[in-house]
Amino acid sequence: DTGVSQDPRHKITKRGQNVTFRCDPISEHNRLYWYRQTLGQGPEFLTYFQNEAQLEKSRLLSDRFSAERPKGSFSTLEIQRTEQGDSAMYLCASQGVLSYNEQFFGPGTRLTVL
Amino acid sequence: DAKTTQPPSMDCAEGRAANLPCNHSTISGNEYVYWYRQIHSQGPQYIIHGLKNNETNEMASLIITEDRKSSTLILPHATLRDTAVYYCIVSYGRPDKLIFGTGTRLQVFP
Repeated sequence: DTGVSQDPRHKITKRGQNVTFRCDPISEHNRLYWYRQTLGQGPEFLTYFQNEAQLEKSRLLSDRFSAERPKGSFSTLEIQRTEQGDSAMYLCASQGVLSYNEQFFGPGTRLTVL
Repeated sequence: DAKTTQPPSMDCAEGRAANLPCNHSTISGNEYVYWYRQIHSQGPQYIIHGLKNNETNEMASLIITEDRKSSTLILPHATLRDTAVYYCIVSYGRPDKLIFGTGTRLQVFP
């Protein structure tokens, strides 16, 4: 257990539905990252926050995706109008000032879009 | 695109040293080499990182060649729990996004 938690761990939804995932980072970690991982591939960067500011978004993050970190603590990732291609593991990681070389990953949320 | 090249898979006998190679021929002078691993159904886990000197911690050793174009991660006494996908990543110090490739799938057998 790295101290990063994600909820839910698994989500099955029908195409066209909206889903929201939550990530709780290690307390006082100022950076929070979202990655997506499909079967057989390494994780792909989606976006990251420093405190509440979203500093970078990947071109993978289409208009249907939105991420927030309103108080600089937990973060949410919402996918609107899900498509089958959104099926993947969504990973969250946090990084602190004192552990600045290491990202601590959560267990991930596995999304299946039917 | 990932800036590293790793073999897709390797095997290692339990108790023996596992030596995982990585090529990063386009690494720049101020880029570090990071290693993470991902055990099945878990998030990636940081192992070690280095700039140009060899590094060792409680998990592994990292050997970086003098020209910095390649490196080797060494697990000195592999156990079955070391079976995982190992990712070699190059990034600037205090990396922001990590660029993962497809890694090396290490299978440790009894």
